[in-house]
Amino acid sequence: DAGITQSPRHKVTETGTPVTLRCHQTENHRYMYWYRQDPGHGLRLIHYSYGVKDTDKGEVSDGYSVSRSKTEDFLLTLESATSSQTSVYFCAISERGPNYGYTFGSGTRLTVV
Amino acid sequence: AQKVTQAQTEISVVEKEDVTLDCVYETRDTTYYLFWYKQPPSGELVFLIRRNSFDEQNEISGRYSWNFQKSTSSFNFTITASQVVDSAVYFCVLNSGYALNFGKGTSLLVTP
Repeated sequence: DAGITQSPRHKVTETGTPVTLRCHQTENHRYMYWYRQDPGHGLRLIHYSYGVKDTDKGEVSDGYSVSRSKTEDFLLTLESATSSQTSVYFCAISERGPNYGYTFGSGTRLTVV
Repeated sequence: AQKVTQAQTEISVVEKEDVTLDCVYETRDTTYYLFWYKQPPSGELVFLIRRNSFDEQNEISGRYSWNFQKSTSSFNFTITASQVVDSAVYFCVLNSGYALNFGKGTSLLVTP
């Protein structure tokens, strides 16, 4: 009954290759977010979206791009993966914005070798 | 700038002990929202509580309680009679206008 799914759940990729992570929601929520989680850093915002085709950068956006062509899908692309992008990536959704909290996906564990 | 500090990186307690997780925040906003999220070993992120800056009443939910004090910019979380299932990473979170800003988390280990 998950309203938010991330794919893939795990991925190993080589340095220099492009990678796309997908976040899919069935809740019709307006706001979507991508975070990365690294030991000692908590969760850091990469990009966020406040509507179809409306996206903006977070605090760690270098090396990442996003697209939102439909309400339900928010794609995160690593244009040329580097080892420093090895991380766990979480997608989150919110109906009314950050003041009301998020629902998170299960995460994608990405390893860049 | 919005900032959340969780000074305790790791805490270890024995089951049935009470434990308090500290959270100090910085914001220039007069209206703001604070949250706590739990991340158990399975990895998912679970919402625990949301509190707005105008509501300073302490909240209790079962064994969980939260103490919000604007005077000290703190939003501490206490688990009473801890259990092994409480073992997790706990994040204190502050809204930053366009997104949520997470503290670095406190890892709580409860041993039998």
